[in-house]
Amino acid sequence: AQSVAQPEDQVNVAEGNPLTVKCTYSVSGNPYLFWYVQYPNRGLQFLLKYITGDNLVKGSYGFEAEFNKSQTSFHLKKPSALVSDSALYFCAVGGSGAGSYQLTFGKGTKLSVIP
Amino acid sequence: DAGVIQSPRHEVTEMGQEVTLRCKPISGHDYLFWYRQTMMRGLELLIYFNNNVPIDDSGMPEDRFSAKMPNASFSTLKIQPSEPRDSAVYFCASSDSPARLFFGSGTQLSVL
Repeated sequence: AQSVAQPEDQVNVAEGNPLTVKCTYSVSGNPYLFWYVQYPNRGLQFLLKYITGDNLVKGSYGFEAEFNKSQTSFHLKKPSALVSDSALYFCAVGGSGAGSYQLTFGKGTKLSVIP
Repeated sequence: DAGVIQSPRHEVTEMGQEVTLRCKPISGHDYLFWYRQTMMRGLELLIYFNNNVPIDDSGMPEDRFSAKMPNASFSTLKIQPSEPRDSAVYFCASSDSPARLFFGSGTQLSVL
């Protein structure tokens, strides 16, 4: 079975500072990894994905994530946080092949960017 | 495209009543997913369809839950009878490529 862990329920960061939201995963075979963001009263929105290739993946709104196979991690990063980045962030994992459509989501990390 | 459309946005009902949630996926997407979100359990996959056919319903919590997709542009999730522990936000999502999902705005269900 595949699983995702987001060890922090909440991350607070000052505006302009770099931010990191952590994620580790467990899956059989090669992972498909994703980050989604959820704003209040909205559905989740896709940020970025890793399927194969370069370990550093760039996504929407200046976010990027680094795939580390040895540490089974896929941390979300941004060099300079904005107040508008405050939201709930979800890491998700899917398997390859037919399993790539069955995503397992982490419980989410609430990011608060303080002005 | 208007995106994934869910209705109603909010539903308040009494225990024992039947509840039907509706979803219109993005045109051309051949995968449709139903998720449930709660504080305690996070985001759980209930069931998903490919080309209107249910592929995996192992996440459906009980026989009280059923889902249908009669055509490519419409799906329903039904709870009968509803219970207070079913209170959650229910999301529908659609996809046309591996695992990039487009979510609707959700239905906030409260069972009293």
